[in-house]
Amino acid sequence: RKEVEQDPGPFNVPEGATVAFNCTYSNSASQSFFWYRQDCRKEPKLLMSVYSSGNEDGRFTAQLNRASQYISLLIRDSKLSDSATYLCVVNIRLHNAGNMLTFGGGTRLMVKP
Amino acid sequence: DAEITQSPRHKITETGRQVTLACHQTWNHNNMFWYRQDLGHGLRLIHYSYGVQDTNKGEVSDGYSVSRSNTEDLPLTLESAASSQTSVYFCASGQGGTDTQYFGPGTRLTVL
Repeated sequence: RKEVEQDPGPFNVPEGATVAFNCTYSNSASQSFFWYRQDCRKEPKLLMSVYSSGNEDGRFTAQLNRASQYISLLIRDSKLSDSATYLCVVNIRLHNAGNMLTFGGGTRLMVKP
Repeated sequence: DAEITQSPRHKITETGRQVTLACHQTWNHNNMFWYRQDLGHGLRLIHYSYGVQDTNKGEVSDGYSVSRSNTEDLPLTLESAASSQTSVYFCASGQGGTDTQYFGPGTRLTVL
């Protein structure tokens, strides 16, 4: 079983739609959580951190459910420029205060005109 | 502006050759990481370093080595390249005690 699991998609949605991605993680010791965005043939870039209380950044809302080990990302009013792969990322704090990120395989989003 | 760079951006080599991929960051970050990204596997950690002279093995370290002689650089060496090491390699850095990692633009390596 993968440590971080995502539906690979693709999710094909029209402009203006609301779309939600989910992610589950297996390590209950995971301490922090993120969504990264990766455009085709580019490096991953941090989209937003995910907090237990839920957090919002413009059209993007992230939620964390520690009990179910489940993370979500909601995108409202989708834009063509949102087309990308969204990576669910879980951080485990290691012995010497370093951190190790574990990446899900990504969910591909394609927003159509 | 501070940044993280990788070189070369593209490399074609032959099986059995030694290959070194460079990673250089100007943020003065303590932590540096090497990942590979393959279809069906996502990003997987190869090696990481928390400071000068510190190196640690990641999930898929076999056939790879790193060295950290200064803060800015973490070169990744493939001792004897194999076709299974054809991949896209990303270097990342982050400040110690924080979670955010910043990725370089990647190196696309093909081993024939």
